[in-house]
Amino acid sequence: GQNIDQPTEMTATEGAIVQINCTYQTSGFNGLFWYQQHAGEAPTFLSYNVLDGLEEKGRFSSFLSRSKGYSYLLLKELQMKDSASYLCAVRYIYVLTGGGNKLTFGTGTQLKVEL
Amino acid sequence: EAQVTQNPRYLITVTGKKLTVTCSQNMNHEYMSWYRQDPGLGLRQIYYSMNVEVTDKGDVPEGYKVSRKEKRNFPLILESPSPNQTSLYFCASSSTHGEGTDTQYFGPGTRLTVL
Repeated sequence: GQNIDQPTEMTATEGAIVQINCTYQTSGFNGLFWYQQHAGEAPTFLSYNVLDGLEEKGRFSSFLSRSKGYSYLLLKELQMKDSASYLCAVRYIYVLTGGGNKLTFGTGTQLKVEL
Repeated sequence: EAQVTQNPRYLITVTGKKLTVTCSQNMNHEYMSWYRQDPGLGLRQIYYSMNVEVTDKGDVPEGYKVSRKEKRNFPLILESPSPNQTSLYFCASSSTHGEGTDTQYFGPGTRLTVL
């Protein structure tokens, strides 16, 4: 099966940098996504990695190491509005359905940004 | 505006009373999916559909049914709801079965309470 681990909670200070880690174990790996979810709202897409390395998007960056089954999301210049849950999701090829892809989510990391 | 809509947004019902949660997308997406989200368990896939008339079970399909008669609609049916189906439900869609940066777009969520 698929297994994804991320810390349950993190706290950081406004203006600082925070790194949210995600480790996974999966077969047929076909990409890793990070989503942001504010309380009671739908998840929204933040970043995508399929090859090793760092992807940068403004204040957000995401890193992937496929050999280690490891990813992190880096948030810089934290703002109060960044307080949310951050979901790591792994896409894998589901062979039994003719090569279709499926997406499995971690339980999310609740980030609290304080003054 | 490209979007995924769900109705109703909030529903309180009683055990055993059949209900349907509708989901519609206007992006001509092939892939649609239903998730439930519970505290500490994250997003778990209930059912998914790769195209019209093609549906398959996700990780937690028990107690649910779906249909995909048209590309844009993917209703979730609870024939005999039970209290353990109290949850926050999300519908999602993506253009393909998941290639490249193809990401899932989520509806606003339906908060269901079964008494």
